[in-house]
Amino acid sequence: ETGVTQSPTHLIKTRGQQVTLRCSSQSGHNTVSWYQQALGQGPQFIFQYYREEENGRGNFPPRFSGLQFPNYSSELNVNALELDDSALYLCASSRPAGGETQYFGPGTRLLVL
Amino acid sequence: AQTVTQSQPEMSVQEAETVTLSCTYDTSESDYYLFWYKQPPSRQMILVIRQEAYKQQNATENRFSVNFQKAAKSFSLKISDSQLGDAAMYFCAYRPSTSGTYKYIFGTGTRLKVLA
Repeated sequence: ETGVTQSPTHLIKTRGQQVTLRCSSQSGHNTVSWYQQALGQGPQFIFQYYREEENGRGNFPPRFSGLQFPNYSSELNVNALELDDSALYLCASSRPAGGETQYFGPGTRLLVL
Repeated sequence: AQTVTQSQPEMSVQEAETVTLSCTYDTSESDYYLFWYKQPPSRQMILVIRQEAYKQQNATENRFSVNFQKAAKSFSLKISDSQLGDAAMYFCAYRPSTSGTYKYIFGTGTRLKVLA
């Protein structure tokens, strides 16, 4: 069984640029959630995708957007990058049924200069 | 709003000893799930243990066990026979069971150091 994978592992961008992060869900999982983890903090929920539709969103501005593809992989896009967007971005996949545990990928470390 | 609080930023334990990490949460829901995740320096969040709120019995996974006090909204993690590999950040997380969005709410974490 393949676990959750994310790419790239590290990324450096400058303020105002755009970035795309990618996530492949664990085999058999059709729900993907994205989290932002600032240094020294717990992860904060960005949004969740289920069957290619956004299924809930946290307190993040519209410049954070996402996609889910028919194979359940997902992308997180961030436009007009700001310095405060520097963080570890975690993707987690799960089955949608109540009680299912989310399994996390290794994350993408984004640094905005 | 639901919140999760971990009041111990850092804990230390001697190898082979027992340590308890604290977590409290606030919710008006009656049905939910609680989790402990471990995040080593490799950054990947690894599930340690899970507790369903409707179950009175405390969850146990090998050396890891929880003390779930629903009325007090407390969910502590006990690690027995601590090993060097247990050193990591530990996050407590809450997830409602009735919400259509099964998002997790995390605490700020506790850094566990294991001393040889």
